[in-house]
Amino acid sequence: SQQGEEDPQALSIQEGENATMNCSYKTSINNLQWYRQNSGRGLVHLILIRSNEREKHSGRLRVTLDTSKKSSSLLITASRAADTASYFCATARTGANSKLTFGKGITLSVRP
Amino acid sequence: ETGVTQTPRHLVMGMTNKKSLKCEQHLGHNAMYWYKQSAKKPLELMFVYSLEERVENNSVPSRFSPECPNSSHLFLHLHTLQPEDSALYLCASSQDLGGGASAKNIQYFGAGTRLSVL
Repeated sequence: SQQGEEDPQALSIQEGENATMNCSYKTSINNLQWYRQNSGRGLVHLILIRSNEREKHSGRLRVTLDTSKKSSSLLITASRAADTASYFCATARTGANSKLTFGKGITLSVRP
Repeated sequence: ETGVTQTPRHLVMGMTNKKSLKCEQHLGHNAMYWYKQSAKKPLELMFVYSLEERVENNSVPSRFSPECPNSSHLFLHLHTLQPEDSALYLCASSQDLGGGASAKNIQYFGAGTRLSVL
C-alpha cells in the first residue's frame, strides 16, 4: 500500500491565504520530504524533516512532523498565484537504503 | 536547472517503434531512478540504480529496458509499447540511496519526457 497519503487531494484558496496540506504514512521513517511539481515538469525538492525533528521552516514554508501519529503537515503562508502546483510528500523508511516512497500528491490552486 | 537533463522532452512513437530516453546528471550522484507518472495515478518507481548496478526493478514489463553505462547517464530503451504506456517519464538522481536520517536521498528530477504511444 502507498506509504505516504496526502490530504486533501485538491485545495483551492485565495492569494494571500495560508495553505495547509497533510501527509500520513504507515511505517517508521528516517526522514520525510516535501516536493513540488509544476504542471508537466519534474518534481522539485522543497524541504526535508528528520525523524527526530518536530518542526522546520524555510521561507514561507513550515513543516511539522508527528511521529507518534505518523503524520506531517506543510504550511505555505501568504500564498501567491505562483504557488499553484502539485505537492507531494515522500517518506524514507528506516533502514540502510531508505529510498523514497511518494504519495499521490495534492493539487493546490491559488486564485489571484 | 536541477542538474538533471532529460532528452527528448516530447516523444511520439508507434507501437512497433524502438526509441530510447536519455537522462544525464551533472551532480556527481551515485543513485539514479526512472519513474512513470500517468494522469490521476501516483508516481510509479520503475528502476533504481546505485553505482551503476540495478538495485530495484518494480515488476516493469520487459518492453522497458534500462541501461546505466556510468553513474552520470541512464537510458530507458523502449520497444513494442502499448498506448497505456503513454505518460510522463521522469528521471531523478540522489547522492546515494540514503540511510539513517541523512539528506543523501534527496532526489533531483529532470523535466521529464512526455511520451505518447499511438
